[in-house]
Parts: sequence; structure tokens; C-alpha cells
Amino acid sequence: DAGVIQSPRHEVTEMGQEVTLRCKPISGHDYLFWYRQTMMRGLELLIYFNNNVPIDDSGMPEDRFSAKMPNASFSTLKIQPSEPRDSAVYFCASSFGGGASRQFFGPGTRLTVL
Amino acid sequence: DQQVKQNSPSLSVQEGRISILNCDYTNSMFDYFLWYKKYPAEGPTFLISISSIKDKNEDGRFTVFLNKSAKHLSLHIVPSQPGDSAVYFCAASDASNYQLIWGAGTKLIIKP
Repeated sequence: DAGVIQSPRHEVTEMGQEVTLRCKPISGHDYLFWYRQTMMRGLELLIYFNNNVPIDDSGMPEDRFSAKMPNASFSTLKIQPSEPRDSAVYFCASSFGGGASRQFFGPGTRLTVL
Repeated sequence: DQQVKQNSPSLSVQEGRISILNCDYTNSMFDYFLWYKKYPAEGPTFLISISSIKDKNEDGRFTVFLNKSAKHLSLHIVPSQPGDSAVYFCAASDASNYQLIWGAGTKLIIKP
């Protein structure tokens, strides 16, 4: 198995532009998590899905952020419009079962908003 | 409200010595704890875990200790090797919640 796949690995954009991050979870996993890592806040959970359904999006910073999971093998995290404070590394992770189940992380997308 | 705290942002240890990484939590409902390791430019990877019914779990050079009364757990690495240099995250979960609560991470540097 290729593991969790994220694209792009790096994204540089200008303030106000729309950014879309993509994730392909491990086949058979029923949970998908989007995280953001910053120096100030460490690893923050933004949103997670169970069987493609968003369960908890309380970590999404504001309405500029949205996430979808149209099927079991694909999810997107969109920021529109982007701001410099959105600059961070965004991770996608998947697991079979939630809670204490081992989460497998993708390599992350490093986002820089100028 | 930080429910999982790793109070040491960084730790430097001599190669061959013991590395001890600490983690404190506030939620007494947490019943499972995990340690993840993260190298630069990679996602975190699972290292070791412990259930609240145990006080120790060992896997090779890695041992996690849980002190429920103190709401404290620690990760011991013996002996420390250069490849152990990474950021270590502590995470916790409880049966009512399907997400992990993460600490801020501790950067471990193993000196040759």
C-alpha cells in the first residue's frame, strides 16, 4: 500500500487566492483527519470524517476553510480566500476505526501564503 | 484548554544515554495514550501506545510509563541513537471521543 497520499507537497500562493489541498487515504480506512501544524499551536485537528461524513469540524478556524470527502478514496481541504496566517503544514491522516486506532499520516502539504 | 501538555519544547541527549520525554494530561477520562515520532518533511508515525489498564509498555528500546494518579506519562528511549532525533508527540483518547488530543511535541536531539 502506498500509504496516505497528499498533493501538492508544497504550495505558494498570494493572499486572497483559493487553495485546494488533496488527500487519498489508505484503502479500507474509515476515518480521515485533517490537521494543521504550526510553530505556535503544534498539531491541531481541523476536521475529521467517518465513512465520508464530516463528524466534527469544530477545529476549522473560520468560514474560509471547508473540507469535503466525496468518496472513500478522496478528500479536499479548501481555503478561500487564503491569508498569510494560514501558512502552515497541513497533514491528512487516516485510520481504521477512530479514537485510539493508529492514525497513518501523509507527508503533508507545506502552504505559504504571501 | 490544553488537555495534553508536553512542557519541554526540546531535549538534548548524548548518544547511548537514556532519553526521557514527558507528557501530562488533565482529562481523567483519557484511557489510551500514544506516542508518535516525526522527522522533518514527513508526517508523524506511530511509535508506541499504552492503555490505562497498564502502567508500562515496552517495545525494544522504547518504553512508555503511565502514572494515572499523577496524570503523567513518559517515553524512555534506551540507548538513544542518532536516528532517534525527531519531534515526539504525545496523544490521548477516551472511549467517548473518536479523535486524538495531541500535545505540542518535544524535539529530541541526540548528540554524537
